[in-house]
Amino acid sequence: AQSVTQPDIHITVSEGASLELRCNYSYGATPYLFWYVQSPGQGLQLLLKYFSGDTLVQGIKGFEAEFKRSQSSFNLRKPSVHWSDAAEYFCAVGGQTGANNLFFGTGTRLTVIP
Amino acid sequence: DAGITQSPRHKVTETGTPVTLRCHQTENHRYMYWYRQDPGHGLRLIHYSYGVKDTDKGEVSDGYSVSRSKTEDFLLTLESATSSQTSVYFCAISGGTGYYEQYFGPGTRLTVT
Repeated sequence: AQSVTQPDIHITVSEGASLELRCNYSYGATPYLFWYVQSPGQGLQLLLKYFSGDTLVQGIKGFEAEFKRSQSSFNLRKPSVHWSDAAEYFCAVGGQTGANNLFFGTGTRLTVIP
Repeated sequence: DAGITQSPRHKVTETGTPVTLRCHQTENHRYMYWYRQDPGHGLRLIHYSYGVKDTDKGEVSDGYSVSRSKTEDFLLTLESATSSQTSVYFCAISGGTGYYEQYFGPGTRLTVT
């Protein structure tokens, strides 16, 4: 069965500090992996995606994520967090099945303190 | 930004009344989806469509129906709204140039009293 686990419900970091948000997935085929960001009262915006190839992928807003097949993980990182990064972050997994259906984690809320 | 609009953006309705939410896209994408978002649950798929008049159930489809008579429109209907359907509803689309990723609308906040 497909599933995504984001073990951290809420993370607080200081502005300028580094960030890592964890994501573990379970998927029966080759996974396609995504990170989305949601600001309060907004829809979800795609940050980055992994389909194949280089396991370190770059996204928008200075974010990157690394796919580790052996650990079934796709952690999101940013070297220096800005106050505007405060938002909720969702990891999702999908693949070449059905109608491109995605399975989402429950999200990690990021608070940035000055 | 993908051309996706949702209407209405906010709605308050009473238990037992029918409610229809509309999703409209200008991208000509094949796939459309309805999700609900609730605290602690992330996004859960209600129904999806893989073409005009082609729809299927998602994870939490009980109490919901959908219709897609045109490529650009995907309607979500709550036949008889209940308080447990108070939620934020998101529409998404996929199947364009970036074939597998989904793009989301701004959401509809529905309150059932």
